Amino acid sequence: DTEVTQTPKHLVMGMTNKKSLKCEQHMGHRAMYWYKQKAKKPPELMFVYSYEKLSINESVPSRFSPECPNSSLLNLHLHALQPEDSALYLCASSAVAYNEQFFGPGTRLTVL
Amino acid sequence: QKEVEQNSGPLSVPEGAIASLNCTYSDRVSQSFFWYRQYSGKSPELIMSIYSNGDKEDGRFTAQLNKASQYVSLLIRDSQPSDSATYLCAVNAMIYNQGGKLIFGQGTELSVKP
Repeated sequence: DTEVTQTPKHLVMGMTNKKSLKCEQHMGHRAMYWYKQKAKKPPELMFVYSYEKLSINESVPSRFSPECPNSSLLNLHLHALQPEDSALYLCASSAVAYNEQFFGPGTRLTVL
Repeated sequence: QKEVEQNSGPLSVPEGAIASLNCTYSDRVSQSFFWYRQYSGKSPELIMSIYSNGDKEDGRFTAQLNKASQYVSLLIRDSQPSDSATYLCAVNAMIYNQGGKLIFGQGTELSVKP
């Protein structure tokens, strides 16, 4: 199994809602990542988990809260988002940090 | 100076031609280099990884790395309309004790005309 899966595929939420994005991989990878991508721009790193510990937080606002319950799962909890947070949210994993990263299909988020 | 720079696109080539995509990077310590293909509305797909100087071939794709010149390229031979996508160059920044971090270029949009 060489896939990274993400749910949901699409999410529409209001600015007062709380929602979560989920990511799962069964490749035995020990590094997992959250990226945000706006139209016509490259992915922008948000968080890196290495061996289930948060190793990089790219100064992301606290309305985004990552969680790594185990080595296969990665969540991104969303609360009080702004319309400018609307984007494609991508999860990726790699065997270890520095190795090639494999992306999931992404969650298209719209904040109204 | 941007950390990873790519040709500004769009790049248009006729079907069957060779498409050449270029990328330069500023971090001399970087050891890992990647090319991703991204179709409109989809997520990036890893198509090539290269770690040492020289050429690496995989089917119609050839990646070339020159660490002295801080330059990495991707050649696509016999280009097909299905190759039309945005190609992202990525460099793994060697940040001590912070795990891996991919630095992406802005991407080059490739259009292959039938």
